[in-house]
Amino acid sequence: AQTVTQSQPEMSVQEAETVTLSCTYDTSESNYYLFWYKQPPSRQMILVIRQEAYKQQNATENRFSVNFQKAAKSFSLKISDSQLGDTAMYFCAFMKLNNNDMRFGAGTRLTVKP
Amino acid sequence: DTGVSQDPRHKITKRGQNVTFRCDPISEHNRLYWYRQTLGQGPEFLTYFQNEAQLEKSRLLSDRFSAERPKGSFSTLEIQRTEQGDSAMYLCASRQGRTEAFFGQGTRLTVV
Repeated sequence: AQTVTQSQPEMSVQEAETVTLSCTYDTSESNYYLFWYKQPPSRQMILVIRQEAYKQQNATENRFSVNFQKAAKSFSLKISDSQLGDTAMYFCAFMKLNNNDMRFGAGTRLTVKP
Repeated sequence: DTGVSQDPRHKITKRGQNVTFRCDPISEHNRLYWYRQTLGQGPEFLTYFQNEAQLEKSRLLSDRFSAERPKGSFSTLEIQRTEQGDSAMYLCASRQGRTEAFFGQGTRLTVV
């Protein structure tokens, strides 16, 4: 079974600074998807960024970028120029290409301080 | 279509009662998922539908839990004889093809 590990239960960052959230996963698959989801307090989960394992290039979405290290099974999220609205729980998720259940890590609670 | 919709948003029930939750996915999405999320934890996979077929069920889904998606559109999740340990947020998500999953706002269940 696939497992996803987020080793940082809580993190904080000053507004406008950069923060990196860690995620590792365990799989024997070669093709899969990885995702970072954001869950603001009392609000629904929304996608931040996705990465296909067959793509070597790291995904980027505006202030959000990932460092995907396939051999190390690592998928970290970097948030640049942090904003107060980035305060949320962040979940790393793994999905096999030919299977359809998505497995989540336990999450990292990020607080952006003014 | 504004996204995945779940009803009710909150449910308080007495232990031993049955509850049913509804999820309306994004209309063109053929894949539908149910997850359970407890405080401070990530979502745990419960079950998955492709159209009306329930293709996978987690071992977390005991015999007291049942899910249906009768016409391949909306889905229901029923919990019979609720227990305090069932208190959690129940999340529904849908997707189409190889897109990411889109989540609803969840149903928060409190069993007293």
